Amino acid sequence: DAMVIQNPRYQVTQFGKPVTLSCSQTLNHNVMYWYQQKSSQAPKLLFHYYDKDFNNEADTPDNFQSRRPNTSFCFLDIRSPGLGDAAMYLCATSRQGNYGYTFGSGTRLTVV
Amino acid sequence: GESVGLHLPTLSVQEGDNSIINCAYSNSASDYFIWYKQESGKGPQFIIDIRSNMDKRQGQRVTVLLNKTVKHLSLQIAATQPGDSAVYFCAENPTSGTYKYIFGTGTRLKVLA
Repeated sequence: DAMVIQNPRYQVTQFGKPVTLSCSQTLNHNVMYWYQQKSSQAPKLLFHYYDKDFNNEADTPDNFQSRRPNTSFCFLDIRSPGLGDAAMYLCATSRQGNYGYTFGSGTRLTVV
Repeated sequence: GESVGLHLPTLSVQEGDNSIINCAYSNSASDYFIWYKQESGKGPQFIIDIRSNMDKRQGQRVTVLLNKTVKHLSLQIAATQPGDSAVYFCAENPTSGTYKYIFGTGTRLKVLA
């Protein structure tokens, strides 16, 4: 089945230690997004790629970076995780951005 | 703007009753809206969408109503089942062509047996 896959489902990282979360898709969607979702809050957009074009949200901290080496994969890099970065990170894809998202199951990040 | 609510409103509904979940959106120029269902520990799942040129759209057991005058969206779930228990988010596309969706605060639906 075509889908959006996030790995790992759960990630524990040390304070300040770089961590990478991954997302892959078999939908051949050209737009990929990363959202941060904290407990009992709505998902908050960090950035998105339209094809190879990177679009950062104005309030996304510099600590968060992203890479999209090809259509199928997108990575979220957190350069120096702080305790406040503990959250669920959701990857989503969209075809042209006009028909809503398909979300992955998310990666829950714990910072210790 | 972005939703920053810390406490999700909760709707408790008896199994078999109808549920109505409400959402106020922020941008009068938004032309496309989606309802998502998010179960615990999972990513949001598409339920139903509606474009701004419509005021009602029906799916299987779900209906979305759009009132552009007051910038209000609602999701009606008929004959609510235990499997409907989840957090429900509305999302708006505030500017056509920006490929970004802004999520509302969310409502937790609890189905009582």
